[in-house]
Amino acid sequence: NAGVMQNPRHLVRRRGQEARLRCSPMKGHSHVYWYRQLPEEGLKFMVYLQKENIIDESGMPKERFSAEFPKEGPSILRIQQVVRGDSAAYFCASSPVSEPNQPQHFGDGTRLSIL
Amino acid sequence: SQKIEQNSEALNIQEGKTATLTCNYTNYSPAYLQWYRQDPGRGPVFLLLIRENEKEKRKERLKVTFDTTLKQSLFHITASQPADSATYLCALNSGYSTLTFGKGTMLLVSP
Repeated sequence: NAGVMQNPRHLVRRRGQEARLRCSPMKGHSHVYWYRQLPEEGLKFMVYLQKENIIDESGMPKERFSAEFPKEGPSILRIQQVVRGDSAAYFCASSPVSEPNQPQHFGDGTRLSIL
Repeated sequence: SQKIEQNSEALNIQEGKTATLTCNYTNYSPAYLQWYRQDPGRGPVFLLLIRENEKEKRKERLKVTFDTTLKQSLFHITASQPADSATYLCALNSGYSTLTFGKGTMLLVSP
C-alpha cells in the first residue's frame, strides 16, 4: 500500500533550464495538492488539481510554473527557465475526496537546487 | 491578512515531561484545524484533526485543544520520548480543501 510517491527526490538544474517534478498520489486518491517549502519558511500552497482539472492555482506564480494531473499517470509540476529563487523543497499531497475535514497525505518531496 | 503563528523557537524538554505547542491564528474562522509532524528530509505526516465545535481531541499520548474565542490551538504530548523530536505544524483550511500551514515549532526531547 504505497503512499504518495514523488520523484526525483533531488533535482539539480542550471539557471534557465526546465524542472519537472512528478507526484503519484496514494491509490484511490484523485485530489492532488502541491506545496513549496523554503528554508525557515512554512509550507506554502501552490496548486490543487483533480484528474484533468486545475481547481485552485491561487498560490502558483503566474509565469514559468504550470501543473497538470492527466487522466493517466502522475501529476507534474513544471518550472520553466528556473532561477535561483526556485530552489526549495516541493511537496505533493493527496486526498481521496475534497472535503475540509480530510487530512492530506504527503510525499517526501523533491529538493530542487538551482546552480 | 490571514496569519497562523507558531512559536519559532525550539522547545527543549526532558523525556517524560509534557510538551505543549501553541498555534495562534488571526483573520480566520476555520471549521477545522489540523496538526502534522515533519521530520528532517521528510514530508509532513497527519496527526490529528479537531472541529470548531470540539474543545478537545485525544489520540494515545497526544491531545489537541481548539479555542475559537482565543483563536488558539494547543498541542500536547504527554510522557514525551526522544522519538517525539520533530517539527510540528498547525494547519487551517484556507480554501474549501486547501490548507495554510504555520511555520512549525521544533520539539527536542532529551533523554
